[in-house]
Amino acid sequence: DIVMTQSPDSLTVSLGERATINCKSSQSVLSSSDNKNYLGWYQQKPGQPPRMLIAWASTRESGVPDRFSGSGSGTDFTLTISSLQAEDVAVYYCQQSYSAPLTFGGGTKVEIK
Amino acid sequence: EVQLVESGGGLVQPGGSLRLSCAASGFTFSNYWMSWVRQAPGKGLEWVANIKQDGSEKVYVDSVKGRFTISRDNARNSLYLQMNSLRAGDTAVYYCAGSWGWYFNFWGRGTLVTVSS
Repeated sequence: DIVMTQSPDSLTVSLGERATINCKSSQSVLSSSDNKNYLGWYQQKPGQPPRMLIAWASTRESGVPDRFSGSGSGTDFTLTISSLQAEDVAVYYCQQSYSAPLTFGGGTKVEIK
Repeated sequence: EVQLVESGGGLVQPGGSLRLSCAASGFTFSNYWMSWVRQAPGKGLEWVANIKQDGSEKVYVDSVKGRFTISRDNARNSLYLQMNSLRAGDTAVYYCAGSWGWYFNFWGRGTLVTVSS
């Protein structure tokens, strides 16, 4: 199984500042056949289901604000919120779609300072 | 508007059974892999099972193999999860999700399953 490890567990950032969340996979999720990283990011606000933000490590889903960006390749990935807004308070999860069992990171809670 | 509505959750005793349903609308259901993902109270997300567009392929997390069965009815735009031999560790909110590329592109609001005596 591919283990996904996120850091930090929680993050407190001032409004308008940058938030950076890291995700590391126990083995590469980069496919040699299509050169894609099988890595997604999700946002879960309190009392709501998760929402997909990013697929293929860096492709934003439709409707996701451009302050959210994903980067990385192989085993190391980052989700960056360039200018934190109040509505971004949530738990963020990474997920590998490379192989079953599909696995998530433990989550990073983002709060406002 | 894409909509997924889960139902069928509730309180069940250890060893009991439940059948969850998910009604889909607003998208071409038969074009998507569908998934169940669960979240224990206060915990993170755990993928449970996937089913291919035509139902010909099903994949499960090891902890539910032999106990849970995922199925779908494309004519009814519905997804199901039959859960048998339930354990306390299965207590969670169960989400139905539409999958493309084995991501979870859109989600229902979930249904709570509580396994307790």
